[in-house]
Amino acid sequence: ETGVTQTPRHLVMGMTNKKSLKCEQHLGHNAMYWYKQSAKKPLELMFVYNFKEQTENNSVPSRFSPECPNSSHLFLHLHTLQPEDSALYLCASSQDAAGSPTDTQYFGPGTRLTVL
Amino acid sequence: AQSVAQPEDQVNVAEGNPLTVKCTYSVSGNPYLFWYVQYPNRGLQFLLKYITGDNLVKGSYGFEAEFNKSQTSFHLKKPSALVSDSALYFCAVRASGSARQLTFGSGTQLTVLP
Repeated sequence: ETGVTQTPRHLVMGMTNKKSLKCEQHLGHNAMYWYKQSAKKPLELMFVYNFKEQTENNSVPSRFSPECPNSSHLFLHLHTLQPEDSALYLCASSQDAAGSPTDTQYFGPGTRLTVL
Repeated sequence: AQSVAQPEDQVNVAEGNPLTVKCTYSVSGNPYLFWYVQYPNRGLQFLLKYITGDNLVKGSYGFEAEFNKSQTSFHLKKPSALVSDSALYFCAVRASGSARQLTFGSGTQLTVLP
């Protein structure tokens, strides 16, 4: 899992807090992703960045704000979250230079977020 | 639209026995299929993928998967299960016309009993 790292691994925050999740990939990939994983539900794709440009936003509430300063780093800024936002947030990266459907995504270990 | 179904939330198998984790899919066009494994408190690890060609795909840790177009299935298999294989397994699909969006199943918890 050294290919994609995420910090912090665990985060507890109140509904009025502002916090950020960080993801870094060491694989030389061009695309990065944020997913939300809730218990017993399929992974939900939140955002996609390709060459630092956001290419997908799957109707994610504005209390989640992504930032991709370069192809190696991805942030998810959090503010005024709700308890139902508690979940495991996974970052992934892939080569995805040409949008190939065979492109493989590689995941980080995730940040376990609890919103009180 | 594309979708994946993993019909079993939980699969139990005895160590040393063969294991199968089921996956069926629905896509328009040619499917590209993936299996990932998730150990507790870890992210998803890529196991294998089907692109084209041989219907039997071999992957990491002795796992393999069989693509069956007529049954729209991509079941994960291993001839002899290990206790350390106990984890959550996810199947995912992407259609040939879709650039990035992977659609994941809801996961199957595999428990290998010693």
